[in-house]
Amino acid sequence: EDKVVQSPLSLVVHEGDTVTLNCSYEVTNFRSLLWYKQEKKAPTFLFMLTSSGIEKKSGRLSSILDKKELFSILNITATQTGDSAVYLCAVGGGSNYKLTFGKGTLLTVNP
Amino acid sequence: GAVVSQHPSRVICKSGTSVKIECRSLDFQATTMFWYRQFPKKSLMLMATSNEGSKATYEQGVEKDKFLINHASLTLSTLTVTSAHPEDSSFYICSARTSGRADTQYFGPGTRLTVL
Repeated sequence: EDKVVQSPLSLVVHEGDTVTLNCSYEVTNFRSLLWYKQEKKAPTFLFMLTSSGIEKKSGRLSSILDKKELFSILNITATQTGDSAVYLCAVGGGSNYKLTFGKGTLLTVNP
Repeated sequence: GAVVSQHPSRVICKSGTSVKIECRSLDFQATTMFWYRQFPKKSLMLMATSNEGSKATYEQGVEKDKFLINHASLTLSTLTVTSAHPEDSSFYICSARTSGRADTQYFGPGTRLTVL
């Protein structure tokens, strides 16, 4: 059975801090790893990673994938209160394009 | 681009009634749509996968007669919760993917269903 494990499950930081969120996976026929941000409603897409070692960056957020060690990290630098959310990691594989989601990391950024 | 809408955003109904939720891809053709359910402070639980013009594939433990899914066109999928009961109360989210974007799923804003 495919498995995605995120850590930590929750994290509280102060504005300006840098955080690293972790995602490890065991998936048959791995194809891609995706990061989503979920605030009060549905998840919004952040990144899709398919190749090892290539960093994807969007503003203060960046992510990288290690296919040998089967994990990914999501970094957020100079955190802001608006970064408070649940960050979900999902892995895709197989012919039906289903995603297997982790339980998420609840990030709280205090002013 | 890649906007998915869901309607209604919130619905309250009496036990025993049926509720229909619509999911639309607004600016792309969705070859596959997915329906999820999310309980408070829990992750997304996939209910079913639907491809346009064919029957939905349900995950283990999801009653297909209870949760009817229709993917009538490349931009519209509907989920009907039949004979709803209080335990069906939940946050239902759809997502859509297009053939050109591999695994990326774009999510709708979700529908909060409350069954009294």
